[in-house]
Amino acid sequence: ETGVTQTPRHLVMGMTNKKSLKCEQHLGHNAMYWYKQSAKKPLELMFVYSLEERVENNSVPSRFSPECPNSSHLFLHLHTLQPEDSALYLCASSQFTTSGSGEQYFGPGTRLTVT
Amino acid sequence: AQSVAQPEDQVNVAEGNPLTVKCTYSVSGNPYLFWYVQYPNRGLQFLLKYITGDNLVKGSYGFEAEFNKSQTSFHLKKPSALVSDSALYFCAVRGNAGKSTFGDGTTLTVKP
Repeated sequence: ETGVTQTPRHLVMGMTNKKSLKCEQHLGHNAMYWYKQSAKKPLELMFVYSLEERVENNSVPSRFSPECPNSSHLFLHLHTLQPEDSALYLCASSQFTTSGSGEQYFGPGTRLTVT
Repeated sequence: AQSVAQPEDQVNVAEGNPLTVKCTYSVSGNPYLFWYVQYPNRGLQFLLKYITGDNLVKGSYGFEAEFNKSQTSFHLKKPSALVSDSALYFCAVRGNAGKSTFGDGTTLTVKP
């Protein structure tokens, strides 16, 4: 148990559906991340939030929409996905400081299948 | 731009033998280096980190890593491998700007 939870653990959705992934961290961290992990590219950073503000968006398609309502919660809203979006979506948190030394703590991931 | 290279996609060792998983990095300024492990159907788990100080860093589950500034390497090591160490291992570097970059991962298989 890393202190980061993700729901649901598995999700199957059609290309026209809208769904949301949820992440919650219980570690008191001030930064949260979304990663995509697939066989083709092992770990892709999608979004970074620090102090609830988005600080990085690595050219992610607009069909993925993040939301960070507070420092403990992070959502990833999904709509009109493509089959190539099928992957493991990982949430992580860390303590972000100017020294940049904080390690990240990951949730168990959501296995997404787009049909 | 910072980068991490894990030159081996796969490392195979026999149980009881020492293991090494290699990592080299490129970053501006002082590097903060990390190793993570991922077991099947799980998220990544933090193993150890180098920030400053002693070049040999000890972490969880008997793992250690050696920082070598001249070779820009941060290899993960364990004196005696266990079958339960079989997993996917990621090296990561974080530069002064606070951005983390992960390697592509190395699959470690320990055979009985």
